Amino acid sequence: EVQLVETGGGLIQPGGSLRLSCAASGFTVSSNYMSWVRQAPGKGLEWVSVIYSGGSTYYADSVKGRFTISRDNSKNTLYLQMNSLRAEDTAVYYCARDVAATGGWFDPWGQGTLVTVSS
Amino acid sequence: QSVLTQPPSASGTPGQRVTISCSGSSSNIGSNYVYWYQQLPGTAPKLLIYRNNQRPSGVPDRFSGSKSGTSASLAISGLRSEDEADYYCAAWDDSLSGPVFGTGTKVTVL
Repeated sequence: EVQLVETGGGLIQPGGSLRLSCAASGFTVSSNYMSWVRQAPGKGLEWVSVIYSGGSTYYADSVKGRFTISRDNSKNTLYLQMNSLRAEDTAVYYCARDVAATGGWFDPWGQGTLVTVSS
Repeated sequence: QSVLTQPPSASGTPGQRVTISCSGSSSNIGSNYVYWYQQLPGTAPKLLIYRNNQRPSGVPDRFSGSKSGTSASLAISGLRSEDEADYYCAAWDDSLSGPVFGTGTKVTVL
């Protein structure tokens, strides 16, 4: 069964750092495009970042320079390192397989992990 | 900030047909595929339609997608109580060089 499980969310103060993990099963992370998508409380979906199978990475302007996407092939796990966190980064963060690099085609999605940035 | 515009809400009685619109521009819907997601309360989004009008296996044929110009639509026929959810459209945006989502539509079954 293809599955994604995110961990690492929590309460963090503004300016702090947090690393999210997304463990995959049923497919190989390194052979796929993988994205992070977030959803602020009561709001819509916002794409955050993607890592291509070849290793190239791209970010939304809202997180560029603060967030870093990476993967550990040996652990079949995707990561999102989030630095200089702001209140507006508060959201549920989902990892998803990005089926087509230039698409908006995400399948499957993990269950999400909540990040709350607050003092 | 969402680039694709959807109505905030839509509703219908069981068995009715409900249509949700998704309005974009030439840099997104006008030149790229459209995808639709269903988000049941308290859960992660789930792919409902890919490449404008294709259904993944397991998605009932009550759900159908279409695209014309810079707009797309999702239709739910034979509305059922379990269809109560938020629905989002998505597409690649050539100007932003990234995927963009719609504002979301909450479907209520009366």
